[in-house]
Amino acid sequence: DSGVTQTPKHLITATGQRVTLRCSPRSGDLSVYWYQQSLDQGLQFLIQYYNGEERAKGNILERFSAQQFPDLHSELNLSSLELGDSALYFCASSVGSGTQYFGPGTRLTVL
Amino acid sequence: SQQGEEDPQALSIQEGENATMNCSYKTSINNLQWYRQNSGRGLVHLILIRSNEREKHSGRLRVTLDTSKKSSSLLITASRAADTASYFCATAGNAGNMLTFGGGTRLMVKP
Repeated sequence: DSGVTQTPKHLITATGQRVTLRCSPRSGDLSVYWYQQSLDQGLQFLIQYYNGEERAKGNILERFSAQQFPDLHSELNLSSLELGDSALYFCASSVGSGTQYFGPGTRLTVL
Repeated sequence: SQQGEEDPQALSIQEGENATMNCSYKTSINNLQWYRQNSGRGLVHLILIRSNEREKHSGRLRVTLDTSKKSSSLLITASRAADTASYFCATAGNAGNMLTFGGGTRLMVKP
């Protein structure tokens, strides 16, 4: 158990819908990262937050957004969902620039 | 896009044998991390090696890093059936801590 929690574990929704994925980092970790894992693109970095502020952006679509709250939990919002958004979405956290600890992931299926 | 390539893409060995996986990357790094993923599950952190380190050990794991060749290797000694998983290398650059992943090596250890 990495100490990072993610909810829900599974999410099935329809095209055009909007969903919110939630992540709670390890106690004391200020950085939260979101990654997407799909069969065709592999594991890709989406976005990083540090202590409530956006720190870095990767291959994140404009339909996707994220935020980190004062209690350090983070949410990833995915809107206008398309079939190609079906993937595993991981959250990770770290203290600083070292090891990132990953949560169990949310499996999103868009039908 | 992925930072590098992992070699081989798939590896099948007998229990007790050693498994070696290689990772190449393209840009300068701050550190390189190895993760294990059991089928469709979360990523488990195995080991982190910094750019100024050449070798690191953790239990049955040995990681080497050659920054001049932009490559790393992960050796698992005396493999067990429970080591069956996908193994990913991930690099963190100097500009930020986001990880760039390779495509992974699927390891199967036969009992």
